[in-house]
Amino acid sequence: GAGVSQSPRYKVAKRGQDVALRCDPISGHVSLFWYQQALGQGPEFLTYFQNEAQLDKSGLPSDRFFAERPEGSVSTLKIQRTQQEDSAVYLCASSLEGNTEAFFGQGTRLTVV
Amino acid sequence: AQSVAQPEDQVNVAEGNPLTVKCTYSVSGNPYLFWYVQYPNRGLQFLLKYITGDNLVKGSYGFEAEFNKSQTSFHLKKPSALVSDSALYFCAVRDINYGNNRLAFGKGNQVVVIP
Repeated sequence: GAGVSQSPRYKVAKRGQDVALRCDPISGHVSLFWYQQALGQGPEFLTYFQNEAQLDKSGLPSDRFFAERPEGSVSTLKIQRTQQEDSAVYLCASSLEGNTEAFFGQGTRLTVV
Repeated sequence: AQSVAQPEDQVNVAEGNPLTVKCTYSVSGNPYLFWYVQYPNRGLQFLLKYITGDNLVKGSYGFEAEFNKSQTSFHLKKPSALVSDSALYFCAVRDINYGNNRLAFGKGNQVVVIP
């Protein structure tokens, strides 16, 4: 596609529910990133993939957060047993290589009630 | 670890006047620096980057930024602001010697261009 596509755009989850957020990167982009953006804040790094390899997951806030990119293209961010503090916009970005500019999707706004 | 400071919460400027959005960074090695803009309910849009070479970089929509190594700054500028420039602006840095590819973002600056 022309840009990074994320789905769903909005997700409301009851506390304790599991959610899965999808990211379709720009075709051919090797690098894929997930960021979390709380209200009024800048994006915070969660995890980074190069092709299918997850090279950095140091930003994941707890073991309830899990990300995968099994075929080196589409990626899924899964959050288990959601908590209210997980409410945020989750942004996905992709780039040709790690050291070029990243292109961001519109994000998924997760609200945990 | 790398970090970015954007000291002002909001920047107000009259249409047609010069616009400056400030950014300072901290890295242990050499920086790659980026500016992104975010419109309401939209993702981040890339504006410009500094990798190496000329300290003055030009980007989209008439924006430019100057890399100043001694002051560890990368201020965003536009000679004549438009009402449509009203948005949230983020500065970001990647430490190329840190061994990862993560971007560290500032908290953002809301720019309001007054007609």
